[in-house]
Amino acid sequence: DTGVSQDPRHKITKRGQNVTFRCDPISEHNRLYWYRQTLGQGPEFLTYFQNEAQLEKSRLLSDRFSAERPKGSFSTLEIQRTEQGDSAMYLCASSLLEESQYFGAGTRLSVL
Amino acid sequence: AQSVTQLGSHVSVSEGALVLLRCNYSSSVPPYLFWYVQYPNQGLQLLLKYTSAATLVKGINGFEAEFKKSETSFHLTKPSAHMSDAAEYFCAVRGSGAGSYQLTFGKGTKLSVIP
Repeated sequence: DTGVSQDPRHKITKRGQNVTFRCDPISEHNRLYWYRQTLGQGPEFLTYFQNEAQLEKSRLLSDRFSAERPKGSFSTLEIQRTEQGDSAMYLCASSLLEESQYFGAGTRLSVL
Repeated sequence: AQSVTQLGSHVSVSEGALVLLRCNYSSSVPPYLFWYVQYPNQGLQLLLKYTSAATLVKGINGFEAEFKKSETSFHLTKPSAHMSDAAEYFCAVRGSGAGSYQLTFGKGTKLSVIP
């Protein structure tokens, strides 16, 4: 068990470009969560999956954001037409049902 | 609805001194409470959690926290600070009911340890 893995660790993009991040959860975990963390703040919930079903989306998740978890394994988070305000650390976590959430190292996005 | 308030965005202690990081919560249901630590450019590591068993919870790296319902607090302590404890600490709350899933975090407290 290697923990939650996120790729890439860093992403620099120009405003208006699309970006996609990947998260590989701990293998036996059926829940997967995405959070966003901006400078000086704690992580804020974006969305979560139980197996392949996306069960909740925060109001922070605008129409430009989409997340998938095909086959209930890895997940991707795509941001279309990036804006400077999207610059943040995107954190993925996984858990076994309502057990503790374990976090990956995050993907730091910088939008120029 | 749940919320967390962490008092003090920055705490400095001398090496070997007591560490006390404060967390107060608000929850409409019996809460589950967590402390996470974040080192620079890394994700969050779970230090400890309260899930309605013992009110005094022991975690990793010598940290512990006490759940006080009357004070709606879950402060994190460590008897003797080590240089390696310098990091940012986040308190988080989650509802204990069925369907509870998302963590609500405080804004974090950055701990500096002075040699």
